[in-house]
Amino acid sequence: KQEVTQIPAALSVPEGENLVLNCSFTDSAIYNLQWFRQDPGKGLTSLLLIQSSQREQTSGRLNASLDKSSGRSTLYIAASQPGDSATYLCAVRPSGSEKLVFGKGTKLTVNP
Amino acid sequence: DAGITQSPRHKVTETGTPVTLRCHQTENHRYMYWYRQDPGHGLRLIHYSYGVKDTDKGEVSDGYSVSRSKTEDFLLTLESATSSQTSVYFCAISADRDVEKLFFGSGTQLSVL
Repeated sequence: KQEVTQIPAALSVPEGENLVLNCSFTDSAIYNLQWFRQDPGKGLTSLLLIQSSQREQTSGRLNASLDKSSGRSTLYIAASQPGDSATYLCAVRPSGSEKLVFGKGTKLTVNP
Repeated sequence: DAGITQSPRHKVTETGTPVTLRCHQTENHRYMYWYRQDPGHGLRLIHYSYGVKDTDKGEVSDGYSVSRSKTEDFLLTLESATSSQTSVYFCAISADRDVEKLFFGSGTQLSVL
């Protein structure tokens, strides 16, 4: 059974700092991995999607990497801003499955 | 948001009453999903649809049914609501389950008293 773990559960950093969020999964047989952002009381917004054949994806100050063989992904946020404060979730789509498996998220607070 | 509307946004109901939540999309995406989000459990798939009248169960489908009579609408019904179904419900859509991003609606906060 695929399990997704995100560590740490919460992270507080000063504005301007570069930071890394971690995601690990137990089964490397996946179609893709997505990173989402969730603001309080809101739905999830897909930030980056990495296919199983890819190593990384970039969007603006965000860079996500995927090491499928080791079951790890990282989300790198450069020059963090208070507006980046949110909960970040990663999710994998196991091969042959209709179901995304979500981690429980990392709550990020960027202090001015 | 990617053309997804959930209704209602908030609902309070009593145990034993039927409840229907609606998800409407304007993207003409094939795949539609219902998730629930609870503290300590994260997001869990209830039911999904891969086309009109084509639906299947997710991991927490007991007590829920769905229908999809049109591409744009996916309904989630709680036949007889229970307090354990108090949750935030999210609808999501995808053009292609394997290679496309998943887009979420804003959620419905359901309280069953």
